Amino acid sequence: DAKTTQPPSMDCAEGRAANLPCNHSTISGNEYVYWYRQIHSQGPQYIIHGLKNNETNEMASLIITEDRKSSTLILPHATLRDTAVYYCIVRRNQAGTALIFGKGTTLSVSS
Amino acid sequence: DVKVTQSSRYLVKRTGEKVFLECVQDMDHENMFWYRQDPGLGLRLIYFSYDVKMKEKGDIPEGYSVSREKKERFSLILESASTNQTSMYLCASSRTGRNTIYFGEGSWLTVV
Repeated sequence: DAKTTQPPSMDCAEGRAANLPCNHSTISGNEYVYWYRQIHSQGPQYIIHGLKNNETNEMASLIITEDRKSSTLILPHATLRDTAVYYCIVRRNQAGTALIFGKGTTLSVSS
Repeated sequence: DVKVTQSSRYLVKRTGEKVFLECVQDMDHENMFWYRQDPGLGLRLIYFSYDVKMKEKGDIPEGYSVSREKKERFSLILESASTNQTSMYLCASSRTGRNTIYFGEGSWLTVV
């Protein structure tokens, strides 16, 4: 499975867009990009995933570059409650496998 | 909504005790997982199961065993607890072939 690289930390002002980058230069054609987040002392929470096209849901948008070597998770209007560790994971949808979490990006949203 | 329930939120056990951490999910998911999380080390996979009575080792299985006798229940067992197993333990579940996984709230285990 492709490895990912994320910055260890980022800051964002409340109300502004938070853009979290992820590099996955060794991604293969059948691997999806998944984003999870973990708020302090809670279990991780699924946010969004995509294969090639950009995706949007009620939580966030996912922008995947055309060559699929990187992606950006966008929280359009960050709030204090978005302060969390954000994990970018690249994985095939394959039976009998498990997600492996890296260190992620700690996003701090401040007022 | 998917619900993954871990039986105990906080536990304190003595060194050498046998410890059971129980996890139940209510969405008929085939896959279940146990992770532990420690400061600076992130989430690490201990074991997972993709079917009843099936198990696969994760990255750090030493000192742990698991049991999956029923589809909805996945137990993590510490045969002889040690202080280096003090950690937060997270259970999760998912459907086969899906990486959208759902986590429980976590169990904080302290071994003294």
